[in-house]
Amino acid sequence: QKEVEQNSGPLSVPEGAIASLNCTYSDRGSQSFFWYRQYSGKSPELIMSIYSNGDKEDGRFTAQLNKASQYVSLLIRDSQPSDSATYLCAVIAAGNKLTFGGGTRVLVKP
Amino acid sequence: EPEVTQTPSHQVTQMGQEVILRCVPISNHLYFYWYRQILGQKVEFLVSFYNNEISEKSEIFDDQFSVERPDGSNFTLKIRSTKLEDSAMYFCASIPGQGVYGYTFGSGTRLTVV
Repeated sequence: QKEVEQNSGPLSVPEGAIASLNCTYSDRGSQSFFWYRQYSGKSPELIMSIYSNGDKEDGRFTAQLNKASQYVSLLIRDSQPSDSATYLCAVIAAGNKLTFGGGTRVLVKP
Repeated sequence: EPEVTQTPSHQVTQMGQEVILRCVPISNHLYFYWYRQILGQKVEFLVSFYNNEISEKSEIFDDQFSVERPDGSNFTLKIRSTKLEDSAMYFCASIPGQGVYGYTFGSGTRLTVV
Protein backbone atom coordinates (compact mmCIF):
# COMPACT_ATOMS: atom_id res chain seq x y z
CA GLN A 1 0.00 0.00 0.00
CA LYS A 2 1.56 3.25 -1.13
CA GLU A 3 1.22 5.80 1.67
CA VAL A 4 1.66 9.52 2.05
CA GLU A 5 1.80 10.67 5.66
CA GLN A 6 1.31 14.10 7.16
CA ASN A 7 0.84 15.42 10.67
CA SER A 8 -2.84 16.33 10.90
CA GLY A 9 -2.22 19.40 13.07
CA PRO A 10 -3.53 21.89 13.70
CA LEU A 11 -0.35 23.85 13.19
CA SER A 12 -0.88 27.19 14.85
CA VAL A 13 1.38 30.03 13.72
CA PRO A 14 1.26 33.75 14.46
CA GLU A 15 0.71 36.11 11.58
CA GLY A 16 3.97 36.97 9.86
CA ALA A 17 5.75 33.81 11.04
CA ILE A 18 6.95 30.85 8.99
CA ALA A 19 4.77 27.76 8.81
CA SER A 20 6.66 24.52 8.21
CA LEU A 21 4.80 21.47 6.95
CA ASN A 22 6.20 18.00 6.44
CA CYS A 23 5.24 14.96 4.41
CA THR A 24 6.74 11.50 4.01
CA TYR A 25 5.97 8.94 1.35
CA SER A 26 6.54 5.23 1.15
CA ASP A 27 7.04 4.54 -2.56
CA ARG A 28 10.68 5.06 -3.55
CA GLY A 29 9.60 5.15 -7.18
CA SER A 30 7.70 8.39 -6.64
CA GLN A 31 8.71 11.02 -9.16
CA SER A 32 6.42 14.00 -8.77
CA PHE A 33 5.37 15.83 -5.63
CA PHE A 34 2.73 18.43 -5.03
CA TRP A 35 1.31 20.66 -2.36
CA TYR A 36 -2.35 21.57 -2.52
CA ARG A 37 -4.28 23.99 -0.37
CA GLN A 38 -7.84 23.09 0.54
CA TYR A 39 -10.27 25.41 2.24
CA SER A 40 -13.14 23.78 4.11
CA GLY A 41 -15.75 22.45 1.71
CA LYS A 42 -13.71 23.44 -1.35
CA SER A 43 -11.63 21.58 -3.89
CA PRO A 44 -7.83 21.19 -3.71
CA GLU A 45 -5.89 24.05 -5.25
CA LEU A 46 -2.38 23.41 -6.54
CA ILE A 47 0.18 25.72 -4.95
CA MET A 48 3.53 24.00 -5.60
CA SER A 49 5.00 21.16 -7.61
CA ILE A 50 8.51 19.78 -7.27
CA TYR A 51 10.25 17.04 -9.21
CA SER A 52 13.93 17.08 -8.24
CA ASN A 53 15.87 17.18 -4.99
CA GLY A 54 16.40 20.58 -3.42
CA ASP A 55 14.36 23.69 -2.95
CA LYS A 56 11.84 25.39 -5.17
CA GLU A 57 10.52 28.83 -4.33
CA ASP A 58 7.35 30.53 -5.57
CA GLY A 59 6.46 33.75 -3.84
CA ARG A 60 5.98 33.09 -0.13
CA PHE A 61 6.07 29.33 -0.65
CA THR A 62 9.14 27.07 -0.71
CA ALA A 63 8.94 23.36 -1.37
CA GLN A 64 11.82 21.10 -0.40
CA LEU A 65 12.37 17.56 -1.65
CA ASN A 66 14.73 14.88 -0.36
CA LYS A 67 14.17 11.66 -2.28
CA ALA A 68 16.78 9.73 -0.29
CA SER A 69 14.83 10.42 2.89
CA GLN A 70 11.47 10.18 1.10
CA TYR A 71 10.55 13.52 2.51
CA VAL A 72 8.96 16.64 1.09
CA SER A 73 8.21 19.84 2.96
CA LEU A 74 6.51 23.17 2.46
CA LEU A 75 7.46 26.47 4.05
CA ILE A 76 5.04 29.37 4.09
CA ARG A 77 6.79 32.64 4.85
CA ASP A 78 5.07 35.72 6.24
CA SER A 79 1.97 33.68 7.06
CA GLN A 80 -1.33 35.49 6.64
CA PRO A 81 -4.76 34.68 8.12
CA SER A 82 -5.86 33.83 4.57
CA ASP A 83 -3.30 30.99 4.61
CA SER A 84 -5.44 29.20 7.21
CA ALA A 85 -6.44 26.03 5.41
CA THR A 86 -5.60 22.36 5.13
CA TYR A 87 -2.46 21.64 3.12
CA LEU A 88 -2.40 18.39 1.24
CA CYS A 89 0.75 16.62 0.13
CA ALA A 90 0.29 14.51 -2.99
CA VAL A 91 2.61 12.17 -4.86
CA ILE A 92 2.69 10.50 -8.27
CA ALA A 93 4.62 7.23 -8.40
CA ALA A 94 3.55 5.85 -11.77
CA GLY A 95 1.12 6.90 -14.43
CA ASN A 96 -0.73 10.05 -13.56
CA LYS A 97 -2.55 9.00 -10.39
CA LEU A 98 -2.21 11.29 -7.39
CA THR A 99 -1.94 9.75 -3.93
CA PHE A 100 -2.82 12.22 -1.21
CA GLY A 101 -1.83 12.53 2.40
CA GLY A 102 -4.42 13.28 5.01
CA GLY A 103 -3.48 16.95 5.17
CA THR A 104 -2.14 19.33 7.78
CA ARG A 105 -4.51 21.97 9.11
CA VAL A 106 -2.82 25.35 9.47
CA LEU A 107 -4.23 28.14 11.62
CA VAL A 108 -2.68 31.58 11.26
CA LYS A 109 -3.56 33.77 14.22
CA PRO A 110 -3.58 37.58 13.83
CA GLU B 1 -8.17 31.03 -16.37
CA PRO B 2 -9.77 27.84 -17.75
CA GLU B 3 -11.85 25.90 -15.25
CA VAL B 4 -13.16 22.42 -14.73
CA THR B 5 -16.89 22.74 -14.17
CA GLN B 6 -18.90 20.31 -12.07
CA THR B 7 -22.65 20.01 -11.67
CA PRO B 8 -24.59 19.83 -9.48
CA SER B 9 -22.75 21.40 -6.58
CA HIS B 10 -24.87 19.43 -4.10
CA GLN B 11 -27.01 16.35 -4.67
CA VAL B 12 -29.19 14.61 -2.13
CA THR B 13 -30.42 11.17 -3.07
CA GLN B 14 -32.23 8.25 -1.52
CA MET B 15 -30.25 5.11 -0.83
CA GLY B 16 -30.50 2.73 -3.78
CA GLN B 17 -31.10 5.48 -6.34
CA GLU B 18 -28.87 6.14 -9.31
CA VAL B 19 -26.97 9.41 -9.53
CA ILE B 20 -24.97 10.98 -12.33
CA LEU B 21 -22.33 13.54 -11.53
CA ARG B 22 -21.28 15.75 -14.38
CA CYS B 23 -18.00 17.42 -15.26
CA VAL B 24 -16.85 19.60 -18.12
CA PRO B 25 -13.03 19.34 -18.28
CA ILE B 26 -10.83 22.03 -19.76
CA SER B 27 -11.28 21.86 -23.52
CA ASN B 28 -7.77 20.87 -24.64
CA HIS B 29 -7.18 18.40 -21.80
CA LEU B 30 -6.89 14.72 -22.63
CA TYR B 31 -6.79 12.89 -19.29
CA PHE B 32 -9.73 12.94 -16.91
CA TYR B 33 -10.10 11.79 -13.35
CA TRP B 34 -12.59 11.32 -10.56
CA TYR B 35 -11.55 11.56 -6.94
CA ARG B 36 -13.67 11.53 -3.83
CA GLN B 37 -13.25 12.79 -0.29
CA ILE B 38 -15.37 11.45 2.54
CA LEU B 39 -15.80 14.10 5.21
CA GLY B 40 -12.69 14.34 7.35
CA GLN B 41 -10.77 11.81 5.27
CA LYS B 42 -8.17 11.77 2.51
CA VAL B 43 -8.80 12.62 -1.09
CA GLU B 44 -8.97 9.21 -2.82
CA PHE B 45 -8.43 8.28 -6.45
CA LEU B 46 -11.38 6.59 -8.14
CA VAL B 47 -10.67 6.36 -11.85
CA SER B 48 -8.69 7.79 -14.72
CA PHE B 49 -9.96 8.04 -18.29
CA TYR B 50 -8.09 8.57 -21.53
CA ASN B 51 -8.96 8.07 -25.18
CA ASN B 52 -12.52 7.07 -24.32
CA GLU B 53 -11.60 4.28 -21.98
CA ILE B 54 -10.67 3.70 -18.37
CA SER B 55 -6.89 3.68 -17.96
CA GLU B 56 -6.80 2.92 -14.24
CA LYS B 57 -9.29 2.40 -11.44
CA SER B 58 -9.08 1.92 -7.70
CA GLU B 59 -10.58 -0.78 -5.51
CA ILE B 60 -13.31 1.69 -4.60
CA PHE B 61 -14.44 1.84 -8.23
CA ASP B 62 -16.51 -1.33 -8.23
CA ASP B 63 -19.36 -2.42 -10.50
CA GLN B 64 -21.65 0.23 -9.01
CA PHE B 65 -19.56 2.94 -10.64
CA SER B 66 -19.15 3.81 -14.29
CA VAL B 67 -17.71 6.71 -16.25
CA GLU B 68 -18.55 7.99 -19.66
CA ARG B 69 -17.63 10.77 -22.04
CA PRO B 70 -20.90 10.95 -23.94
CA ASP B 71 -19.85 13.86 -26.15
CA GLY B 72 -16.81 15.99 -26.77
CA SER B 73 -17.16 18.03 -23.62
CA ASN B 74 -18.87 16.18 -20.75
CA PHE B 75 -17.34 13.55 -18.47
CA THR B 76 -19.75 11.77 -16.14
CA LEU B 77 -19.58 9.53 -13.10
CA LYS B 78 -22.58 7.29 -12.52
CA ILE B 79 -23.32 5.47 -9.30
CA ARG B 80 -26.00 2.87 -10.04
CA SER B 81 -27.34 2.08 -6.59
CA THR B 82 -26.13 4.53 -4.00
CA LYS B 83 -25.21 3.49 -0.49
CA LEU B 84 -24.90 5.61 2.63
CA GLU B 85 -21.12 5.26 2.46
CA ASP B 86 -21.07 6.89 -0.98
CA SER B 87 -21.76 10.21 0.74
CA ALA B 88 -18.71 12.33 -0.05
CA MET B 89 -17.34 15.21 -2.09
CA TYR B 90 -16.61 14.07 -5.63
CA PHE B 91 -13.97 15.96 -7.58
CA CYS B 92 -13.32 15.85 -11.28
CA ALA B 93 -9.85 16.73 -12.55
CA SER B 94 -8.09 16.97 -15.88
CA ILE B 95 -4.60 17.41 -17.30
CA PRO B 96 -3.45 18.34 -20.81
CA GLY B 97 -1.35 15.24 -21.46
CA GLN B 98 0.96 12.53 -20.22
CA GLY B 99 3.71 13.89 -18.03
CA VAL B 100 1.94 17.21 -17.45
CA TYR B 101 0.88 16.94 -13.88
CA GLY B 102 -0.67 20.24 -13.04
CA TYR B 103 -4.05 18.82 -12.16
CA THR B 104 -6.93 21.23 -12.34
CA PHE B 105 -9.72 20.17 -10.01
CA GLY B 106 -13.33 21.13 -10.39
CA SER B 107 -15.22 22.72 -7.52
CA GLY B 108 -16.75 19.38 -6.56
CA THR B 109 -20.15 17.81 -6.05
CA ARG B 110 -21.27 17.11 -2.52
CA LEU B 111 -23.27 13.87 -2.63
CA THR B 112 -25.46 13.10 0.35
CA VAL B 113 -27.15 9.70 0.45
CA VAL B 114 -30.04 9.45 2.91
